[in-house]
Amino acid sequence: SQTIHQWPATLVQPVGSPLSLECTVEGTSNPNLYWYRQAAGRGLQLLFYSVGIGQISSEVPQNLSASRPQDRQFILSSKKLLLSDSGFYLCASTMTGLIGYTFGSGTRLTVV
Amino acid sequence: AQSVTQLGSHVSVSEGALVLLRCNYSSSVPPYLFWYVQYPNQGLQLLLKYTTGATLVKGINGFEAEFKKSETSFHLTKPSAHMSDAAEYFCAVSDQGPGNQFYFGTGTSLTVIP
Repeated sequence: SQTIHQWPATLVQPVGSPLSLECTVEGTSNPNLYWYRQAAGRGLQLLFYSVGIGQISSEVPQNLSASRPQDRQFILSSKKLLLSDSGFYLCASTMTGLIGYTFGSGTRLTVV
Repeated sequence: AQSVTQLGSHVSVSEGALVLLRCNYSSSVPPYLFWYVQYPNQGLQLLLKYTTGATLVKGINGFEAEFKKSETSFHLTKPSAHMSDAAEYFCAVSDQGPGNQFYFGTGTSLTVIP
């Protein structure tokens, strides 16, 4: 079965600082990978998804970017954080043809 | 296009009472439907899913949901609430297109009153 590792678990960053959140997947190869953001009271918003190395699709124009340098690694980045980037960020994985997501434990980001 | 509506952002029930969390969906293709649970500061955990076949789906922790095509609904129920059921619950519909995306509802926070 798939296992997703996300780190860090919590992060407090000042406005204007850079961001790098990492997600790695174990127990599978060639997964589809996703970054979601969960803002307070607003449910889950899909930010990026990737179906392979170097392949990134962005769902929402924003201050963030994503990269997939390796098959089982997915990175969420920002050059300059905004207050509105605060939220709970979740990485998820699924296999093509396999129905259902596996989620990481999330990163709580607070921009101050 | 797929979308999910969860009626009621907050639901409170007494311990031992019936839990009913509502979910309606829209989908241009036969849907795959899911319920996930999220405990504070944790990721989402799959409760149950409907893909094909039997419309009454049983999941973990005593939860079940029934797919009703005519009502475009997939409500989550549990006969008797337990304190440990207090959490955020998300309904989702799967996009069977490229990327196999999910579309989530905005969530329902369940409070269990002792």
